[in-house]
Amino acid sequence: DVVMTQFPLSLSVTLGQPASISCKSSQSLVDSDGNTYLSWFQQRPGQSPRRLIYWVSNRDSGVPDRFSGSGSGTDFTLKISRVEADDVGIYYCMEGPHWLSKCSFGQGTKLEIK
Amino acid sequence: EVQLVESGGGLVQPGGSLRLSCAVSGFSMSVYWMAWVRQAPGKGLEWVANIKEDGSEKHYVDSVKGRFTISRDNSKNSLYLQMNSLRAEDTAVYYCARSFEHWGQGTLVTVSS
Repeated sequence: DVVMTQFPLSLSVTLGQPASISCKSSQSLVDSDGNTYLSWFQQRPGQSPRRLIYWVSNRDSGVPDRFSGSGSGTDFTLKISRVEADDVGIYYCMEGPHWLSKCSFGQGTKLEIK
Repeated sequence: EVQLVESGGGLVQPGGSLRLSCAVSGFSMSVYWMAWVRQAPGKGLEWVANIKEDGSEKHYVDSVKGRFTISRDNSKNSLYLQMNSLRAEDTAVYYCARSFEHWGQGTLVTVSS
């Protein structure tokens, strides 16, 4: 099974400053169809998770362009160019999604405002 | 508007059973694979199960294999999770999700005597 490891596990950022979260998978996430199945989710306090990014770097509808994803193979990064108060929450990377096999989440990274 | 609404959670004794439902609206469920994800109190997200659009393929996290069954009824726009032999460690908020793009609000399952 693929193991997803995030770091840091917590992040304290000043408003308007950038933030970066790393995610490393125990094996390559490049599928036989050529796609890399890596997603990022945001979970604000008391809310359901919300997908931000899929296939490494594709933003979901309505996601501000302050959020960007990058990476390849086993190493991936979520960047927030300018942190806003609304960004407080926990961010998860996930191997997937696809119905062909299992999915697994990283441990989560808690973002707070300094 | 896409909506997913979970129901069926509650308090159950260890060894007991519970059936969760997820009613969807705003889209045709028959063209999307669906998933259940859970979150234990104060913990991270854990994928539980996936089901293909037509229900022909299902995948489970190892910890629930043989105890949980994911199913769907596209004609009723509903997703299900039958949970048997429940354990204390199954206590969590259970979310249904449409291909992880859209999520419900979750339903709490508490396994305790």
